[in-house]
Amino acid sequence: SAVISQKPSRDICQRGTSLTIQCQVDSQVTMMFWYRQQPGQSLTLIATANQGSEATYESGFVIDKFPISRPNLTFSTLTVSNMSPEDSSIYLCSVDRAGRETQYFGPGTRLLVL
Amino acid sequence: KQEVTQIPAALSVPEGENLVLNCSFTDSAIYNLQWFRQDPGKGLTSLLLIQSSQREQTSGRLNASLDKSSGRSTLYIAASQPGDSATYLCAVRNTGFQKLVFGTGTRLLVSP
Repeated sequence: SAVISQKPSRDICQRGTSLTIQCQVDSQVTMMFWYRQQPGQSLTLIATANQGSEATYESGFVIDKFPISRPNLTFSTLTVSNMSPEDSSIYLCSVDRAGRETQYFGPGTRLLVL
Repeated sequence: KQEVTQIPAALSVPEGENLVLNCSFTDSAIYNLQWFRQDPGKGLTSLLLIQSSQREQTSGRLNASLDKSSGRSTLYIAASQPGDSATYLCAVRNTGFQKLVFGTGTRLLVSP
């Protein structure tokens, strides 16, 4: 299994500000994924982050709102920009060790925007 | 577009019962299917992974089956315990795609 950590674990932010979430994996992985889970909902993929290239965003998500960095094979960040209360969600980082096999998830970052 | 549905949305049972959670998907061209558990406010824990060529996988009291042609998977939990209380999510990965598509989840409550 993969050990994934996220920082912060939770935060309360003011409308209009930005928050950067960090994801650290215990070993090198090719692909990292960022998901959002809105209250009472299932998980929705925001984007896929490959090292050395721009992230690939899913329909409904844009780089200006959710910029992603992937500086190396064990680390990624997701920024939630110009936040509004609708951005209140759990944000989860995920990795896929062997390519399309078991996918592992971090503990999540619980964000509340006031 | 792949869509994944889970029934029931919520389930409450007394301790010791055997139970079945259902997952259905619209596109049978899947690569694999994964069952997860999520505790309130937490991340996801992988329970079982079934490849498209497999019919079932077992881990302890958990057994997951897959019928790809009919677009269905079931998660069977034997002798349920209060510690099994959580939300259970199934997710499918389509052939040729990297991303998982998640179901709506089943919230399980096992009472002592």
